[in-house]
Amino acid sequence: NAGVTQTPKFQVLKTGQSMTLQCAQDMNHNSMYWYRQDPGMGLRLIYYSASEGTTDKGEVPNGYNVSRLNKREFSLRLESAAPSQTSVYFCASSTLGRWSNQPQHFGDGTRLSIL
Amino acid sequence: KNEVEQSPQNLTAQEGEFITINCSYSVGISALHWLQQHPGGGIVSLFMLSSGKKKHGRLIATINIQEKHSSLHITASHPRDSAVYICAVSQSNTGNQFYFGTGTSLTVIP
Repeated sequence: NAGVTQTPKFQVLKTGQSMTLQCAQDMNHNSMYWYRQDPGMGLRLIYYSASEGTTDKGEVPNGYNVSRLNKREFSLRLESAAPSQTSVYFCASSTLGRWSNQPQHFGDGTRLSIL
Repeated sequence: KNEVEQSPQNLTAQEGEFITINCSYSVGISALHWLQQHPGGGIVSLFMLSSGKKKHGRLIATINIQEKHSSLHITASHPRDSAVYICAVSQSNTGNQFYFGTGTSLTVIP
C-alpha cells in the first residue's frame, strides 16, 4: 500500500543550496501535483503535471522547477534555496488530467527548512 | 481575498459530541473536497462532492450549491477524529484553478 511516496521527509538547507524533492506513485495515476503548506495558509499549488510529458505552473511557481520523469515520478527542484521556501511540501496524484473531478492522494510531506 | 473560508478555525469537543465544520466559497465550482490532515502531517481525501450529501461511517458531508456552502459533520466524535479538516474547491471554468481553506483544527477530548 505505498500510494504516494515522498523523499526525503526532512531536510535542512543553507540559503543558495539546491536540492530535489522526489515523488513517486504506484497507482498508475496520470496527474501529479506539488503543493506547499505554510502556517495560517491553505495548501498552494506550485506545479502540476496533467499527464506524462506535460507540466504547468500553479499559483506559486517562482523559484521552483519540476520534471515529470515518467508516469510514476514527479520531482520538484529548488535551484537556489531561499528562506521564503521554508515550508512543508506535499506531492499528490489523481487518476485523470483534471483534478477537479477526482480525489487526490497525498504523500506524507517533506519538511524543508532553509537557513 | 480568500476564495474558501472555513469556520471555526479551532474546535474542541468532548468525546461523543456531534461536530459540524463549515466551508463557504466564493467561486463557481465543479467539485468540493473535504480532506483530513493527521497530526503527523499526512493528508487523506475524505469526500468529493458536487451536490447533495455523502456519508462514510460517522462522517457526513453536505453541499448547497446555491448558497455556496458545505458542511462536514462528525457523529459520536472520538479522540481519533482529532485532526485538521481542510475544505478545497476547484473552479468550474478551468481544470487547474483550485483553492484550499486554511483548515479547522479539531481536538476531541476523552
